[in-house]
Amino acid sequence: ETGVTQTPRHLVMGMTNKKSLKCEQHLGHNAMYWYKQSAKKPLELMFVYSLEERVENNSVPSRFSPECPNSSHLFLHLHTLQPEDSALYLCASSQVEATNTGELFFGEGSRLTVL
Amino acid sequence: GQNIDQPTEMTATEGAIVQINCTYQTSGFNGLFWYQQHAGEAPTFLSYNVLDGLEEKGRFSSFLSRSKGYSYLLLKELQMKDSASYLCAVSDGANNLFFGTGTRLTVIP
Repeated sequence: ETGVTQTPRHLVMGMTNKKSLKCEQHLGHNAMYWYKQSAKKPLELMFVYSLEERVENNSVPSRFSPECPNSSHLFLHLHTLQPEDSALYLCASSQVEATNTGELFFGEGSRLTVL
Repeated sequence: GQNIDQPTEMTATEGAIVQINCTYQTSGFNGLFWYQQHAGEAPTFLSYNVLDGLEEKGRFSSFLSRSKGYSYLLLKELQMKDSASYLCAVSDGANNLFFGTGTRLTVIP
């Protein structure tokens, strides 16, 4: 138990569906992240929210839409995805101080399959 | 751009020592992290280096040379449970943490 909870753990969706991934952190951190993990590829940083403001987008396709209503919750809204978007989506949180990201605490991930 | 390189796979024997190398080229540098990830689980933090030198924590040690853009993770007295992927990650000092592809370590009896 890392203090970061992700739901659902597994999701199968069609290309026309709309779904959302949810992340909640119980660590009192001030930054939250979405990463994509695909086989044989590095963890790809998708979005960063620091103090509830998005600070990095990294040119992620618009079919992925993040939402951070408060410092403890983070969502990733999904619509009209492609099969190549199938991956493990990891949420993480950290306590950012100045320019130091700090140690990241990861959730267990949401395994997404797009048919 | 950001470039972080580490070997894809390594195999070592139980009780032995293994060294996993990581080289990096990033636009900024504010520390290097090592994470461990068992199959089907979340990555977990192992170590952090921001200054040159060796950081020791039990059976695990991590080394950094900023001038060479190089780090290694040293695992001593290997145990079967150490079979996992080991991820090298660099903080660029702008709220970003960039990861390598990870090194899958297999410990054999």
